[in-house]
Amino acid sequence: NAGVMQNPRHLVRRRGQEARLRCSPMKGHSHVYWYRQLPEEGLKFMVYLQKENIIDESGMPKERFSAEFPKEGPSILRIQQVVRGDSAAYFCASSPGQFNQPQHFGDGTRLSIL
Amino acid sequence: QKEVEQNSGPLSVPEGAIASLNCTYSDRGSQSFFWYRQYSGKSPELIMSIYSNGDKEDGRFTAQLNKASQYVSLLIRDSQPSDSATYLCAALKEGNTPLVFGKGTRLSVIA
Repeated sequence: NAGVMQNPRHLVRRRGQEARLRCSPMKGHSHVYWYRQLPEEGLKFMVYLQKENIIDESGMPKERFSAEFPKEGPSILRIQQVVRGDSAAYFCASSPGQFNQPQHFGDGTRLSIL
Repeated sequence: QKEVEQNSGPLSVPEGAIASLNCTYSDRGSQSFFWYRQYSGKSPELIMSIYSNGDKEDGRFTAQLNKASQYVSLLIRDSQPSDSATYLCAALKEGNTPLVFGKGTRLSVIA
């Protein structure tokens, strides 16, 4: 499967726990974007990364949220001390980085906070 | 003012009809536009991209862009029940910046 791979597909956490969401971009893509979608809402940008660099994190809350895209391995979106309001679908998209190339999305991780 | 606006719908059309989905954007720096289809509980799937003024056709889909009016549309000809989904309009300012999405229009094709 050469598509964007996200895991887990579903994640259940209790309030106060940590959530780790993983994303492997499409083969040949070096740019990764994380979006969050609340029920009946559009996709909201969170963070944009290239290998070992955060390019734009303007959409990510300053506290409890962090993201990385190491030289080896998938991109990780980490949410510490989760709260009920973090319940959402988190989508990762990747692009090759050339001008105007569209972003392709993974299947997402549905995060539920008990 | 929201950056990308869409009518949330639902837009109901009979099977075989043309469905017309509209989108306006506020940032004149937007250069590229994309239509994604999202089935309930699924991920967005790219169906059309358009970069210059005019029409772009791909099978039953036609995207239209008018940069002077800041308007993008998607026409779906011969609509099928399987086209029932939420259609997301997205704008891109530069090559590698994040997409800005509208909230989506829910389309229902009635058999």
